[in-house]
Amino acid sequence: EMQLVESGGALVQPGGSLRLSCAASGFTLPNYNMIWVRQGPGKGLEWVSYISSGGTIYYADSVKGRFTISRDDAKNSVSLQMNSLRAEDTAVYYCARTGASGSYPRYWGQGTLVTVSS
Amino acid sequence: EIVMTQSPATLSVSPGERATLSCRASQSVGTYLAWFQQKPDRAPRLLIYGVSLTSTGVPARFSGSGSGTEFTLTISSLQSEDFAVYYCQQYDKWPLTFGGGTRVEIK
Repeated sequence: EMQLVESGGALVQPGGSLRLSCAASGFTLPNYNMIWVRQGPGKGLEWVSYISSGGTIYYADSVKGRFTISRDDAKNSVSLQMNSLRAEDTAVYYCARTGASGSYPRYWGQGTLVTVSS
Repeated sequence: EIVMTQSPATLSVSPGERATLSCRASQSVGTYLAWFQQKPDRAPRLLIYGVSLTSTGVPARFSGSGSGTEFTLTISSLQSEDFAVYYCQQYDKWPLTFGGGTRVEIK
């Protein structure tokens, strides 16, 4: 059974750093394109970052230069390194595997909560 | 950036009735349009991709239509488990963008 499990969410002070991980099971993650999507408290969905099976990477403007997506093929996981965190980065962060025919999130993890506050 | 606008923000519907949700793109996204359902404290769930293709396990009462800039999600006969928030998303161009959501509530 295919599963995605995020971890690493925590309370962090503004300006701090955090690393989120998304462990995949039931499929070989390097063969697929992966996405991070976030959802602020009481808000809608916002795309954050993308990494393709071939290594192409994209970021939303709101996180460009602060966040870094990467993949660990040996651990079958994808990570999101978040630096210079701001209050507006507070959200539940979801990792997702895209569909076979486009960059829509097909399979989602359960999410991990990041709170940026002093 | 392609802006996705959903309407209405809230839709009040009685069980068994038909619900029609709208999504408009600020420019053409062709057929690269998906719909998601989200229940409280749960991850979103893919319902529809490619405007009208139903994801595995999604009941037949859910259908999508449209092209270019105007899209519709129709729930033919609302069941109790369908009361949730629905989001559209375009994946034609980067950045990927979502609509603000439509909350379907019990009338």
